[in-house]
Amino acid sequence: GQSLEQPSEVTAVEGAIVQINCTYQTSGFYGLSWYQQHDGGAPTFLSYNGLDGLEETGRFSSFLSRSDSYGYLLLQELQMKDSASYFCAGILAGTALIFGKGTTLSVSS
Amino acid sequence: KAGVTQTPRYLIKTRGQQVTLSCSPISGHRSVSWYQQTPGQGLQFLFEYFSETQRNKGNFPGRFSGRQFSNSRSEMNVSTLELGDSALYLCASTHRTSGTGPGANVLTFGAGSRLTVL
Repeated sequence: GQSLEQPSEVTAVEGAIVQINCTYQTSGFYGLSWYQQHDGGAPTFLSYNGLDGLEETGRFSSFLSRSDSYGYLLLQELQMKDSASYFCAGILAGTALIFGKGTTLSVSS
Repeated sequence: KAGVTQTPRYLIKTRGQQVTLSCSPISGHRSVSWYQQTPGQGLQFLFEYFSETQRNKGNFPGRFSGRQFSNSRSEMNVSTLELGDSALYLCASTHRTSGTGPGANVLTFGAGSRLTVL
């Protein structure tokens, strides 16, 4: 089957760095994407890794290693507004994504 | 540029009824996909439409169906509703990101239609 595993919860303080890991068991993923979802809101796109390596977008970075079936999202200089759920998603084809169950990040002051 | 519009935002149905949800993608986007979100199962892919054709389908029973019109607007229908169909139904329209590869798509989600089945 196809599945993505990520921690259910992560806590951190403002200004800290947090890494959310995602491991997957599947074949045929074209890449890995990350989405953020605030309570009551819709998921919003954060990043995409189509190739192995690191992609950086401002305070957020994402990494993919196909050989290890592993990726992570790195959030730096955490802010209270970063408190949200974060989903990794494997891309099967087109816009058919398989999502992990999500990681709830709680940032405290 | 207007975002993805989903209607209705909230609805309550009873078991056995059917429901139709509507989605208008971002202007110019031809790909629309649908997802079901529940606390227990998370986000699950339902189906994807491109230029009025279903391109991919998730692992849902035949009670779940959809279609796309020539103006790219999409509808999904759930017949013979069950209690377990209570969920947030999200529609997304797609554009390419600057990344490499066939998976370099960005999904922009609508606010969703929250269905409660009693």
